[in-house]
Amino acid sequence: GDSVTQMEGPVTLSEEAFLTINCTYTATGYPSLFWYVQYPGEGLQLLLKATKADDKGSNKGFEATYRKETTSFHLEKGSVQVSDSAVYFCALISAGGTSYGKLTFGQGTILTVHP
Amino acid sequence: DVKVTQSSRYLVKRTGEKVFLECVQDMDHENMFWYRQDPGLGLRLIYFSYDVKMKEKGDIPEGYSVSREKKERFSLILESASTNQTSMYLCASSLRLNRDRNYEQYFGPGTRLTVT
Repeated sequence: GDSVTQMEGPVTLSEEAFLTINCTYTATGYPSLFWYVQYPGEGLQLLLKATKADDKGSNKGFEATYRKETTSFHLEKGSVQVSDSAVYFCALISAGGTSYGKLTFGQGTILTVHP
Repeated sequence: DVKVTQSSRYLVKRTGEKVFLECVQDMDHENMFWYRQDPGLGLRLIYFSYDVKMKEKGDIPEGYSVSREKKERFSLILESASTNQTSMYLCASSLRLNRDRNYEQYFGPGTRLTVT
């Protein structure tokens, strides 16, 4: 079956530090890959996506590149801010012959950024 | 922008009560989903629907039922609420799988349900 593995958290950084959150996956078929972010007390927001190999998704200074050869989709940001403190989820949708897109999530990584 | 709304942000119910959680989306999406989120367990799929009046069980359907009478609305029903159903409930919607691969799921703000 499909699975997503994220780096263990929590991750604590100082403001303006470089962020990497690792994500690797296994999937049947050719998945689309996503990063979602959840701020305290809120639902999940789509942060970025990539739908084919070598695509780079980007949004709000965050980037992730779809690496089919290493089955990875690592999230990066060059300079984090306190407002980036949240839980980050890596996820995939594998078509798998169905008409719906079932999301498979990683376990989430808690990021805390200190001033 | 896609908008998914949920009827309540916070809800407190008593054990044994029948509970309705409502979700509405405004983007004409075919698919709708209900998840629950618990610390240490991540997000788990309860039910989903790929069309009006159609539903499929997810990973943890026990104790829940759903209703989709209109395309934009997907309801989660707890027939007899129990304390182990205290959780954050998240609704999501998406387009049907398509060649453009734009079938990401969009989430509502969540309903934090407490059953006492």
